[in-house]
Amino acid sequence: DTEVTQTPKHLVMGMTNKKSLKCEQHMGHRAMYWYKQKAKKPPELMFVYSYEKLSINESVPSRFSPECPNSSLLNLHLHALQPEDSALYLCASSQGGDWEQYFGPGTRLTVT
Amino acid sequence: LAKTTQPISMDSYEGQEVNITCSHNNIATNDYITWYQQFPSQGPRFIIQGYKTKVTNEVASLFIPADRKSSTLSLPRVSLSDTAVYYCLVAYTGFQKLVFGTGTRLLVSP
Repeated sequence: DTEVTQTPKHLVMGMTNKKSLKCEQHMGHRAMYWYKQKAKKPPELMFVYSYEKLSINESVPSRFSPECPNSSLLNLHLHALQPEDSALYLCASSQGGDWEQYFGPGTRLTVT
Repeated sequence: LAKTTQPISMDSYEGQEVNITCSHNNIATNDYITWYQQFPSQGPRFIIQGYKTKVTNEVASLFIPADRKSSTLSLPRVSLSDTAVYYCLVAYTGFQKLVFGTGTRLLVSP
């Protein structure tokens, strides 16, 4: 199984809402990533978890809160987002930092 | 500051070889380069990875010159289904950063 799954596929939320994005992989990978991708732009790294511990936080605003409950699961909790946070949020996993990343299909987030 | 740039777009015809270049500054000896393909509304898909000289797999080749200021993805005999955006990803271990290139939109015509 070389699949990374993400739910939901689409999410529309107001600026006062709290929501969560979910990512799951069953490849035994020890590194998991969150990226943000705006239209016609490259993905931008947000967070990296290595062995379930946060290893990289790219100065992401606190309205985005990552969580790694176990080695297969990665969440991104959203609160008080702004319209400019609307984007495709991609999750990825890899065996380690030097290995190829497997990406999920992404969650298309719209903040109204 | 880690900066990774690519040509904005390239056009090709079916059956031709396509070479896409990624320019990266301040890349260390063990920093590796990975190339991904992305179709609209999908996550990037791995193509090839390397950190020196030449790497080849069943779908592409990756060339990294000695000065390591650029790398080139080579796609032999492209088909219509290769129309996509191609990104290089550089792992700057010195900066502890992962930086995607600006992306190259490849259009393959019949």
